[in-house]
Amino acid sequence: GENVEQHPSTLSVQEGDSAVIKCTYSDSASNYFPWYKQELGKGPQLIIDIRSNVGEKKDQRIAVTLNKTAKHFSLHITETQPEDSAVYFCAARGTGTSYDKVIFGPGTSLSVIP
Amino acid sequence: ETGVTQTPRHLVMGMTNKKSLKCEQHLGHNAMYWYKQSAKKPLELMFVYSLEERVENNSVPSRFSPECPNSSHLFLHLHTLQPEDSALYLCASSQAHAPMVRNEQFFGPGTRLTVL
Repeated sequence: GENVEQHPSTLSVQEGDSAVIKCTYSDSASNYFPWYKQELGKGPQLIIDIRSNVGEKKDQRIAVTLNKTAKHFSLHITETQPEDSAVYFCAARGTGTSYDKVIFGPGTSLSVIP
Repeated sequence: ETGVTQTPRHLVMGMTNKKSLKCEQHLGHNAMYWYKQSAKKPLELMFVYSLEERVENNSVPSRFSPECPNSSHLFLHLHTLQPEDSALYLCASSQAHAPMVRNEQFFGPGTRLTVL
C-alpha cells in the first residue's frame, strides 16, 4: 500500500522567512496530493492540493510542487506569519477505491517566531 | 466551521465503560471516515463508509464498533477500551464517486478521548 514520509518533523522560522516541507510517496499510481493544516484544538483543514497532471500550483503565499518521477512533493510558504504556526500534513491518494483513501504523512509542526 | 460536528469534544472513560462518539455532517457528502490521531504518529484511518456501507476496516480491534445509520451521521461505539486507545478521534466526510469534484475531506474538531 501507499506510504507517505514527511520532513522535517518540526520547523521554526522567523516571521517573514520562507518555510519548506517535503514529502515522498511510494505508490506511483497515486494521483492526488492534498496538504492539510491543523491548528490547536481543531481538525485538519485543506489548504492546497495538486493533481498528478500538474507540476506546480500556487495560492497567494502558498505553493506546492510535484515531481512524479522522483515521487516527491513539497509545500512552500513565503512571507510567513505567526498565524501560519500549526501542524501541516501532506497526503497522497491512490486509485482503485470507491472512496477517497488518503494516506497522511506524520506531520510537520511549524512555529513562526515573531 | 467545516460543516462536520463531533460530540462530545472531550471524554474520559474507564476501561469497563461503554460510550459512543457521534459525528454529523451538513455538507451532503456520501462518504464518512473515522481517524485516530495519536501524538507523534500519522493519522490512522480506522473505518470508511461510502454510500452508507462500510468499505474499509483497517484492522481495528473489535472494541471499536462503527455505525452509519444514514449518510449524515456516523457513530463510533466504544467498549472495554485500553489506556493506549487514548487519542484524538477525528471524523471526516467527502463527496466520493465524483471524479470531477475536488476530493477534499472535511474534518470535524475531534473528540479527545482519555481511557483511565
